[in-house]
Amino acid sequence: GQSLEQPSEVTAVEGAIVQINCTYQTSGFYGLSWYQQHDGGAPTFLSYNGLDGLEETGRFSSFLSRSDSYGYLLLQELQMKDSASYFCAVRDQGTGFQKLVFGTGTRLLVSP
Amino acid sequence: SQTIHQWPATLVQPVGSPLSLECTVEGTSNPNLYWYRQAAGRGLQLLFYSVGIGQISSEVPQNLSASRPQDRQFILSSKKLLLSDSGFYLCAWSAGGEQYFGPGTRLTVT
Repeated sequence: GQSLEQPSEVTAVEGAIVQINCTYQTSGFYGLSWYQQHDGGAPTFLSYNGLDGLEETGRFSSFLSRSDSYGYLLLQELQMKDSASYFCAVRDQGTGFQKLVFGTGTRLLVSP
Repeated sequence: SQTIHQWPATLVQPVGSPLSLECTVEGTSNPNLYWYRQAAGRGLQLLFYSVGIGQISSEVPQNLSASRPQDRQFILSSKKLLLSDSGFYLCAWSAGGEQYFGPGTRLTVT
């Protein structure tokens, strides 16, 4: 089967940098995605890494190392609005191209 | 641009009653469609996915069913709701490595 591990909660202050890690175990691998979900809302797509390396989108960056089965989401210049849950997800060759397997999520709390 | 709609936004239903949640997508054709459920404070559990009209794959055996009567319509149903069916139901469509979610339906079974 597939499994993804993320820290359950991370706290930081405004203006800081925070890294949310994700390790995964899958029978195959197509890529790693990150989603943000505010309380009461739906998840929104943040980034996707199909190959090793860093992808940057504004204040957010995502990194993937396929040899280590590891990725992370880096949030810079934290703002209060970044307080949310963040989920990593893998497209798993074992389960088929069309499906994603989500981690249990990391709750990020940004304080003033 | 693509838009995904879900309704209703909230629903309170008694145990044993039927359920029908609808999801429609605009601005794309032949999308892969998904139903997820999320319990409070938990991750996303994939319930069903569909790669085309009439093609449904079930991930978790339970008292829910799904149908795709039209290319951009995905329906989640139950004949008799259980208390454990309470949760946040999300419809999504995918494009490559990304999935895009609808606003969700918060279901409370009493």
